[in-house]
Amino acid sequence: DVKVTQSSRYLVKRTGEKVFLECVQDMDHENMFWYRQDPGLGLRLIYFSYDVKMKEKGDIPEGYSVSREKKERFSLILESASTNQTSMYLCASSRPFQLEQYFGPGTRLTVT
Amino acid sequence: AQSVAQPEDQVNVAEGNPLTVKCTYSVSGNPYLFWYVQYPNRGLQFLLKYITGDNLVKGSYGFEAEFNKSQTSFHLKKPSALVSDSALYFCAVRKGGSQGNLIFGKGTKLSVKP
Repeated sequence: DVKVTQSSRYLVKRTGEKVFLECVQDMDHENMFWYRQDPGLGLRLIYFSYDVKMKEKGDIPEGYSVSREKKERFSLILESASTNQTSMYLCASSRPFQLEQYFGPGTRLTVT
Repeated sequence: AQSVAQPEDQVNVAEGNPLTVKCTYSVSGNPYLFWYVQYPNRGLQFLLKYITGDNLVKGSYGFEAEFNKSQTSFHLKKPSALVSDSALYFCAVRKGGSQGNLIFGKGTKLSVKP
């Protein structure tokens, strides 16, 4: 079974802090994705990566950056956390052109 | 522009009754369509997909979905609902020209009462 793990299930940070969310997959997938999930808005794509050191902006990249130094690991960085970044963050992975994505359990981030 | 719509925020069903969760889509070209389920405080789990072929697609946990090209719909169905089916359901469509990016609907909360 594909396993996608995220470093924290729950995280509480203060406004202005730098926040790192880590995602690791164990199936040698090339593609990795970061989404945020908010009630009534569904999932929105923040950033994605098709290969190591490669990154592309999704639909809502503002206020976020990412890092992919190793194939199995994709990090989401909030440079200066703000209260409007309070959300559930979901990581996913897939093979190139494999259509279904496999999701991690999510990190519920609260910024106070 | 490609999009997917789930017209119902919530669907309520009695246990044992059939259930339908609706999804309509807008894409150029052939649609690749998906259903995912999310249980409370969990990530999304893949249920089923339509790529080509038979319009009735069978998936996990007894779910199936019917692709209707003329109505641009991909409704999720189950003949007999279980209380344990209560969850949030997302429809998604592949974004054209990408290696596999998906566009998700806003989700439908399914509540199955005993």
